[in-house]
Parts: sequence; C-alpha cells; structure tokens
Amino acid sequence: NAGVTQTPKFQVLKTGQSMTLQCAQDMNHNSMYWYRQDPGMGLRLIYYSASEGTTDKGEVPNGYNVSRLNKREFSLRLESAAPSQTSVYFCASSVRGEYGYTFGSGTRLTVV
Amino acid sequence: EDQVTQSPEALRLQEGESSSLNCSYTVSGLRGLFWYRQDPGKGPEFLFTLYSAGEEKEKERLKATLTKKESFLHITAPKPEDSATYLCAVQASNDYKLSFGAGTTVTVRA
Repeated sequence: NAGVTQTPKFQVLKTGQSMTLQCAQDMNHNSMYWYRQDPGMGLRLIYYSASEGTTDKGEVPNGYNVSRLNKREFSLRLESAAPSQTSVYFCASSVRGEYGYTFGSGTRLTVV
Repeated sequence: EDQVTQSPEALRLQEGESSSLNCSYTVSGLRGLFWYRQDPGKGPEFLFTLYSAGEEKEKERLKATLTKKESFLHITAPKPEDSATYLCAVQASNDYKLSFGAGTTVTVRA
C-alpha cells in the first residue's frame, strides 16, 4: 500500500541544469497533479492530468513540462533550473477529482 | 479565480484549550471544500470533504463546518499530537483541481 511515491526526496541543482521529478501511484487513480509549496504561499498547481493521455497547465506552469507516461506515472521536468524554482514539490492523485487527493511525501529541490 | 484565505497564520494553544481555524473562500460554484493536515517534512493528509452549507464532519478532536462563504475547523481539547499545519482547499463545480489556502500552523503545548 505505497500510495503515491516520489523520487528523489532531495535534490540540489546548479542554475541551468535540467532534471526530472518522478511520481507513481498504485491506487488506480485517474487524475494526477504536480504542486509546489513555498513558505507563506500555500500549494500552487503547476500541471495536472485529468486522465491518461491528457495534461493541462495549472497556475504556475512556466519553466516546467510534464509527461503522463501511463495511468500510474506522471513526471515533472525542469529544462533549465532557476533559483526561483527552489521549492518543495508534491505529486498527488485522485479519482476523477471527486474526492480528496492522496499526496506523495514531496521532493525538496534547491537551485543554486 | 478561486480564492482561499486561512486565518490565523499561526495558533499556539495550551493542551486542552479549544479553538477554531477559519477558511474563507470564493469559488464559482462549490463542488467541495477539503481540509488537510500536514506534518513537517511530509505531504498533506486528507481529513474531510464538505459539500454543502450546513454540513458538519467530525474525526476525533476535529470538527469541520461549512457555510456559503467560510469553513471552520474546531479543535476540541487539543493534545500535543494535534500540532501540525492545517490546509483548506476548494474545488469548483466545473473543475478537477483544488485551490489551497496558505494554511494555519497549530502548536499545542503540554
């Protein structure tokens, strides 16, 4: 009963480097989401995938890309990391958005 | 645009001292209002969903209520293990995503 698994848990990048954050869920959920959490600003939606094969921009998509690889996996890519992308990133999943999300444990990313 | 405002930002309580957290919201047709608990270094954990004004839900020392403009999370006789950040979120009737407030950090001293 893993729920939502995110990797890595911690990462330090240099400005301009690229990386992919991985997320997988084992609950057969249709919808998946990527949020970032910054002090005093709450959780802000980056991208989401309502169902396999679809992706849509959220509130703060600039500088990010996503891939819904299959029903289980939803990855977030930073093509050229910037210090403003220093944050904690959370992946979540839900059943067609009707019920509460299940969140992963987060990836703490620092861009120097 | 959906907006969620939580108050206060931080709340320090003595063990056994009951209190309430506020979540004010504006949304174009509410599908649901959600409460989550987040412990340091962890992801948010689902607590409640409220769907319509007048609805109430309880879990242990927590009780959530909903009106047309706000929700309250009442903590009755809190214990130190209730210390956490409590997040409120809304989902519009025509949407999949949740819009979150910034949270209220509750610290309960023994």
